Amino acid sequence: QSALAQPRSVSGSPGQSISISCTGTSTDFAIYNYVSWYQQHPGKAPRLLIYDVFNRPSGVPDRFSGSKSGHTAALTISGLQPEDDADYYCCSYAANSWVFGGGTKVTVL
Amino acid sequence: QVHLIESGGGAVQPGGSLRLLCEASGFNFNDHAMHWARQAPGKGLEWVAVITYDGSKTYYSDAVRGRFSLARDDSKNSLSLEMNSLRPEDTAIYYCAKGRDVVVTVGTMDSWGQGTLVTVSS
Repeated sequence: QSALAQPRSVSGSPGQSISISCTGTSTDFAIYNYVSWYQQHPGKAPRLLIYDVFNRPSGVPDRFSGSKSGHTAALTISGLQPEDDADYYCCSYAANSWVFGGGTKVTVL
Repeated sequence: QVHLIESGGGAVQPGGSLRLLCEASGFNFNDHAMHWARQAPGKGLEWVAVITYDGSKTYYSDAVRGRFSLARDDSKNSLSLEMNSLRPEDTAIYYCAKGRDVVVTVGTMDSWGQGTLVTVSS
C-alpha cells in the first residue's frame, strides 16, 4: 500500500489556475481509473470533488477538473476563489485497499 | 441527504480496546460498501478498512489488520469498528464514509461523517 506523492503546498492569486499532481509508483495506480480528489477545510470532514479520475459529483463547481496520464493524476482549479483555500488529497483504489496522498495545502494569496 | 454520525471515541491506554459506531441515514444502507478512514492530529488522511455491501467481506490496511474488526448491522443502518491492542500511533479522528457505487466495492468514498476522536495515551 504505497502512498501517493503530492506537493506539500501550492499557491495562487484569485482568478488564476493551479494544478496539484498526484504520483503513484504501483502498477495498479496506472491501470485503475479509480482516482478521486477531496477538499478539506480546517476542522471539517473531507468533501469529494472528483471521482474516477475526472467525474464531478453534483454540486461541485466546474472550475474543479481531474485528469490522469500513466502514473500521474492531477487536479486543476481554474479561476481560483478565496474559499478554495484548503487542503486537498488524492486517493486511489488498488487491490482491495485504498491509499491517500500526503495532502497539498492550497493558499489563495 | 446522506447523514453519517460517528460515536464511541475517547481516551484509552495503550493495549486497550474501543468500539466505534457509525449510524447512517438518507440512503439505502444495505446497497453500499462502508469504510473507516482516520486522520492523526495535524496529519493527512489514512484509509483503515472497508466492508462490502452485504457484509460478506472485509479488508483492512496493513497498519490495523489483526487488531481491528469491522461489522455492519443493516437492520439498524449501523457500522461498528472494534479496535483492540491500541497503540499511541492509532490516535486520530476516525471517519465513517460511504462507498459511492451501489453494490460494487471498488471506487471512492463519497460522503463522510464529522468524525470521532480516539486518543491512545498512558
